[in-house]
This record gives sequence, structure tokens and C-alpha cells, in this order.
Amino acid sequence: DTTVKQNPRYKLARVGKPVNLICSQTMNHDTMYWYQKKPNQAPKLLLFYYDKILNREADTFEKFQSSRPNNSFCSLYIGSAGLEYSAMYLCASSRGGGGSYEQYFGPGTRLTVL
Amino acid sequence: GDSVTQTEGLVTVTEGLPVKLNCTYQTTYLTIAFFWYVQYLNEAPQVLLRSSTDNKRTEHQGFHATLHKSSSSFHLQKSSAQLSDSALYYCALSGSNNYAQGLTFGLGTRVSVFP
Repeated sequence: DTTVKQNPRYKLARVGKPVNLICSQTMNHDTMYWYQKKPNQAPKLLLFYYDKILNREADTFEKFQSSRPNNSFCSLYIGSAGLEYSAMYLCASSRGGGGSYEQYFGPGTRLTVL
Repeated sequence: GDSVTQTEGLVTVTEGLPVKLNCTYQTTYLTIAFFWYVQYLNEAPQVLLRSSTDNKRTEHQGFHATLHKSSSSFHLQKSSAQLSDSALYYCALSGSNNYAQGLTFGLGTRVSVFP
């Protein structure tokens, strides 16, 4: 099974409220990623976990948090949602730590902040 | 930083005719891995092709691409488009060293195949 699951598929949030998105995979992959996709923009890497080590991109460092309580699950947390957070959030996982490994993507969570 | 350029936002093609999607890149990585991802409507992106070898043709599901480091390109081609090829196609790159890292994506090219 190469499925990456994301919950919920659609999320409505109010400005200033927290948001927590969940991703899971059962492939025992070492690495899990979060990307943000906005209209007319390329998917953008936000952060990734390699095993238990979190790596966050420099330009989004303070905007997103994440946790990985076990190998299968990874969350993306927004402490105080702003309108600019409205986007599709894609989770992915890959075997191993090298960049040449294929990433398996989930269907995404569409977040709308009002 | 690294960048991937897909020049066509939309490509329309008649069924049975060839289709080509352009992808060029800029990178500071010494070793790189390239991917073409395809995303069908309401589905997750999935890998279509992968390559890290210069001048070697890679094929899958009737599509092919060749990484040309001399021209910084990894164009995707198919000789005969099918209706089922209608989808969004992303070109993406990653450094292929031993460290975990994410993908740098292009904007994507939507392909519409008409009968």
C-alpha cells in the first residue's frame, strides 16, 4: 500500500485561530514532508522530518510547527491562522534520507481561512 | 536558490498526436535527481518519471524524458497522446546527495487531450 492519507480533506478556519492538519503513511518511510500550494504558484516545501529530526525552511520557519509522534504520523500546526495561510497543503513521504528517493503524496488538505 | 521553469501553463493536443512539455532548471546541487509528477483530477500527485543520469532516456507509460545537463533541461514527451493523459504535470528536482531534502517544483503544465 503506497497510500499517504491526509485529514481533513477540507478545513475552514477563522483568522487568529489555530489549525492542525494530519498526515499518515503505513510504508514505514523515514521522511515526511509538508508542502504548500497556492493558486498559480508552484508547490513550496515548508518543512520535513527525517526520522525524528525536524527541518524547516528558513522563510517559513516561524509560521509553521510540526510534530511526528511516531513513524506513521506527522502533523502541521499553525498557531494563529491568517488569510495568507489559505492554500492546499500536501503531505508526502519517502524511503530513506537522500533526495533521489521518490516522494509519495497525499491528496492534500484545502485550508480556507476566513 | 534552485528553480524549475515550465514555460507552458496549458497544452492542448488532439488524441493520437505527439505532446511535449518543457522543463528547464537552475540549481546549485552538484548531483541532482529529476522527477516528472502527474496529478489527475482530485487525486494525489504521483511520480511518472525519475532520472539522475545525464543523457540517458527514461521511459514509463509511453512517456519519455532525457536529462540534459548541458542545456539544463528535462523535457517530457509522448509520441501519441491519449484522452487519459489529461492531467496536471509537474517537473521537480532535488539534490541527490545523502541528505533528506524536499523537491523544488515548477508551476505545472495542464495537459488537455481532445478527441
